[in-house]
Amino acid sequence: KQEVTQIPAALSVPEGENLVLNCSFTDSAIYNLQWFRQDPGKGLTSLLLIQSSQREQTSGRLNASLDKSSGRSTLYIAASQPGDSATYLCAAHMDSSYKLIFGSGTRLLVRP
Amino acid sequence: ETGVTQTPRHLVMGMTNKKSLKCEQHLGHNAMYWYKQSAKKPLELMFVYNFKEQTENNSVPSRFSPECPNSSHLFLHLHTLQPEDSALYLCASSQEGPDEQFFGPGTRLTVL
Repeated sequence: KQEVTQIPAALSVPEGENLVLNCSFTDSAIYNLQWFRQDPGKGLTSLLLIQSSQREQTSGRLNASLDKSSGRSTLYIAASQPGDSATYLCAAHMDSSYKLIFGSGTRLLVRP
Repeated sequence: ETGVTQTPRHLVMGMTNKKSLKCEQHLGHNAMYWYKQSAKKPLELMFVYNFKEQTENNSVPSRFSPECPNSSHLFLHLHTLQPEDSALYLCASSQEGPDEQFFGPGTRLTVL
């Protein structure tokens, strides 16, 4: 069964800290992986998409990496801010189909 | 309007009602999706349409009936729902199957 797992389920850090969110997937034949942000009661905002041929992608203070051999992706957030508080979801296309398999998310709180 | 829009944003209905959710994408994409997000569960893919044709039905009960009249519009018709169907229903679109997905703000559905 293809699965995506995110640990920890929740994380609380002081403002200014650099942090890493983890995502693991069961199928090394991953097609691509997408990181999203979700604010409470809202839709998902796409942050970064990493293709299977890429090792990392960067957008502002965010950097996502992909290691297919170990079945892991990480989202690095530099100099965290209270506005970064949200739930972060990773999701993977395990093949070239339409189905995106989601993890359960990591709920991040950045304390002022 | 830009991106993916959904109406209504909130809906309360009784178990005998019939209602419809609407999604519109302004991105020129070819594929559209319905997802269900329940508390404490990962996002569940419900339906996928590509060029107006349904390509995936993820074993969704028949009380949920999708309709895709064109590549820009997607509806989810609801009838005789159960309280356990209460959830956030999210619409998304992408250019093709395994491409980056963009989400709408969601419809918060409560079934009494």
